[in-house]
Amino acid sequence: GESVGLHLPTLSVQEGDNSIINCAYSNSASDYFIWYKQESGKGPQFIIDIRSNMDKRQGQRVTVLLNKTVKHLSLQIAATQPGDSAVYFCAETGGQNFVFGPGTRLSVLP
Amino acid sequence: DARVTQTPRDKVTEMGQEVTMRCQPILGHNTVFWYRQTMMQGLELLAYFRNRAPLDDSGMPKDRFSAEMPDATLATLKIQPSEPRDSAVYFCASGDLVGLTGELFFGEGSRLTVL
Repeated sequence: GESVGLHLPTLSVQEGDNSIINCAYSNSASDYFIWYKQESGKGPQFIIDIRSNMDKRQGQRVTVLLNKTVKHLSLQIAATQPGDSAVYFCAETGGQNFVFGPGTRLSVLP
Repeated sequence: DARVTQTPRDKVTEMGQEVTMRCQPILGHNTVFWYRQTMMQGLELLAYFRNRAPLDDSGMPKDRFSAEMPDATLATLKIQPSEPRDSAVYFCASGDLVGLTGELFFGEGSRLTVL
């Protein structure tokens, strides 16, 4: 049930290492950002969100950083596990609709 | 667990045929989205509804696609006539949003293949 791009950027990390996935967004008016995880054959799953009045937000093993100056968003995953292998999408909205980035494939090596 | 349910999971059809995809959003959610995912274009917004009223369908080819919410438990996406370029995975998502802020819950998708 694979349904994502064959030419996605791929990040390969060793199990137990930290992962950093980056996203450049396009709309300077966007004020809300979300990271989603999509496993093969499934729909995207919410991971964490951040509003534009913040520059950092932490969840369980995940941290999102927002740099509005350069329109950059990152997702940090601590102690990456095999179950983290998936495609990760950032999404932005300025109130009109959600726009998803192209995605990054995270591959966790044993 | 509450979840978004989509049918069919897989559909193979011939060019020119009508295709209807259905979605049962999570009860109580006020916003329902239809997205299309392809290898080339990624996730594209087709249309979304707030409290069953269409708010934005600018991403949808109007000549062949239509989206409706006949009631709060059902959203439909219809393609007539279907074309090979419509082959994709179609996702429905729902959320209890304030504006466009909040978590979206996605279904598992309907994979459409048009021959």
